[in-house]
Amino acid sequence: DADVTQTPRNRITKTGKRIMLECSQTKGHDRMYWYRQDPGLGLQLIYYSFDVKDINKGEISDGYSVSRQAQAKFSLSLESAIPNQTALYFCATSESGETQYFGPGTRLLVL
Amino acid sequence: AQSVTQPDIHITVSEGASLELRCNYSYGATPYLFWYVQSPGQGLQLLLKYFSGDTLVQGIKGFEAEFKRSQSSFNLRKPSVHWSDAAEYFCAVGAPGAGSYQLTFGKGTKLSVIP
Repeated sequence: DADVTQTPRNRITKTGKRIMLECSQTKGHDRMYWYRQDPGLGLQLIYYSFDVKDINKGEISDGYSVSRQAQAKFSLSLESAIPNQTALYFCATSESGETQYFGPGTRLLVL
Repeated sequence: AQSVTQPDIHITVSEGASLELRCNYSYGATPYLFWYVQSPGQGLQLLLKYFSGDTLVQGIKGFEAEFKRSQSSFNLRKPSVHWSDAAEYFCAVGAPGAGSYQLTFGKGTKLSVIP
């Protein structure tokens, strides 16, 4: 079984809809991250969490929110989706802030 | 704040040829350095990392990278490319000891392999 899982893997939604992307990990890591990837732009950090009581904004947090429900679960929400949020979203985990391990990604299309 | 530059957006090599992907970073001290690979439709897989010590780092799939402090570079190399190496490669830099630890990624280099 994969150490970092993301659901759904693909999602199509309409402008204005609220959606949630979920991430679960079995690595026992304290730190979890959400990134978005756009072609030609690499990965940009949306939010990160060092433990269930610690949530921090990344470089592109506007329009997104997160919830750390447990050590193993970190969800990303788009409260009112817009077309320029169409992207590939990755969850990652790390231990002590070093090497990050990535999930398979969620491909989101906002119409 | 740290930054990463991957000068080559797209590289094409013949199968069996050698490969070098360039990565330059900006950071005030010695950073943590990583190379990740993303195959089509897949997530990012760690190839190798440098934290300290020997500046030549060996990774998975026959890749290696060399940290050169004087050039602020961490170039990825492979002596003989296989068709399965076709993917996008990302260099990333982290700041050791920082309270708010983050990775900064380059924009990636897409590798195409021709028979």
